[in-house]
Amino acid sequence: AQSVTQLGSHVSVSEGALVLLRCNYSSSVPPYLFWYVQYPNQGLQLLLKYTSAATLVKGINGFEAEFKKSETSFHLTKPSAHMSDAAEYFCALGGSNYKLTFGKGTLLTVNP
Amino acid sequence: DTAVSQTPKYLVTQMGNDKSIKCEQNLGHDTMYWYKQDSKKFLKIMFSYNNKELIINETVPNRFSPKSPDKAHLNLHINSLELGDSAVYFCASSQPGQVETQYFGPGTRLLVL
Repeated sequence: AQSVTQLGSHVSVSEGALVLLRCNYSSSVPPYLFWYVQYPNQGLQLLLKYTSAATLVKGINGFEAEFKKSETSFHLTKPSAHMSDAAEYFCALGGSNYKLTFGKGTLLTVNP
Repeated sequence: DTAVSQTPKYLVTQMGNDKSIKCEQNLGHDTMYWYKQDSKKFLKIMFSYNNKELIINETVPNRFSPKSPDKAHLNLHINSLELGDSAVYFCASSQPGQVETQYFGPGTRLLVL
């Protein structure tokens, strides 16, 4: 069975500080991993995806994530938070059956 | 150009009514999905169609019936609406072979009174 765990339902950082959002997964097949962002009252937008080509994946808006098989993790980072980064972030796991399994989301707030 | 669009954006209705939500994608994708996002923001897949054929049908009450008239459209009809159906419903599409990157619509916010 596939599952995604996002540690911390709410992360609060100061503007300019490092952003670290944690995601761990469980999969019986080689995983495809995604981070999506949801701004208030909007749909989900793809930030980045891991497809086994490279373990360090760069996405939009300065975000990146590192796939660590030994830790079954795919944490999302950004060196310097901006007010516009405040949103809900979802880690998702895909397999070969069209289905995406989502984590429960992490709300990121950025304080001035 | 909106890639995945949904109508309506907001839907307020009474218990027991029947309503439909429409979704259209202009990305040329073969696969479309319906997701439900509950009040705690948890996203769960409901249905998926590939080239108008149902391929995923999660444990969803049979009051929910998807229909795909063509591969660019996937509609969701809900009969006898209940309070617990209040949620945000997202449509998405993807093209097999592109690592299942799913592109989401803006959502339909359904409130059942």
